[in-house]
Amino acid sequence: EIVLTQSPGTLSLSPGERATLSCRASQSVSSSYLAWYQQKPGQAPRLLIYGASSRATGIPDRFSGSGSGTDFTLTISRLEPEDFAVYYCQQYGSSPLMYTFGQGTKLEIK
Amino acid sequence: QVQLQESGPGLVKPSETLSLTCAVSGYSISSGYYWGWIRQPPGKGLEWIGSIYHSGSTYYNPSLKSRVTISVDTSKNQFSLKLSSVTAADTAVYYCARVATTFDYWGQGTLVTVSS
Repeated sequence: EIVLTQSPGTLSLSPGERATLSCRASQSVSSSYLAWYQQKPGQAPRLLIYGASSRATGIPDRFSGSGSGTDFTLTISRLEPEDFAVYYCQQYGSSPLMYTFGQGTKLEIK
Repeated sequence: QVQLQESGPGLVKPSETLSLTCAVSGYSISSGYYWGWIRQPPGKGLEWIGSIYHSGSTYYNPSLKSRVTISVDTSKNQFSLKLSSVTAADTAVYYCARVATTFDYWGQGTLVTVSS
């Protein structure tokens, strides 16, 4: 089973700053099968990025994803107040079929 | 717009079976995609439980497989989760979602507490 480890656990930044969130896999993951989600308190997660770098419908272009193999990154170029939330990475494996999530990074206002 | 809505008891006794249903609107389950369940214990991360296709084909998380049954009712455009022999560790918000290689549409979630 592939384990996803996200860092840092908590990131404290100010609006307008750039955020860089990391997701490291215990073994190589196909870029096609790496996604990122945003979750605000009391809400369901929202799909932000799929295929490591493609934005989901309606996601602002300040959100971008990159990476390959075992190292993936979510970047928020200029933080807006509504971006402070918890972010999860997720991978899909086909053999055996399995979906796993990272433990999350909390992005908080400094 | 695809919408999903979970329903079911919010309190289940230990050793009993947790049962939830997810009603889908805005999209016919029979048109494709897998449909699945994800849970989140209070203050913790996300765990995939399992997924089902309209044909009834299922995939389960190996860690829960022995206790999970997911079924689909295409006539009602809904699918269901049963988790048997629950303990306090199964207390969580349970989400239903549309599944591809990602989870692109989610229900709002329902809190299920396991307690006597």
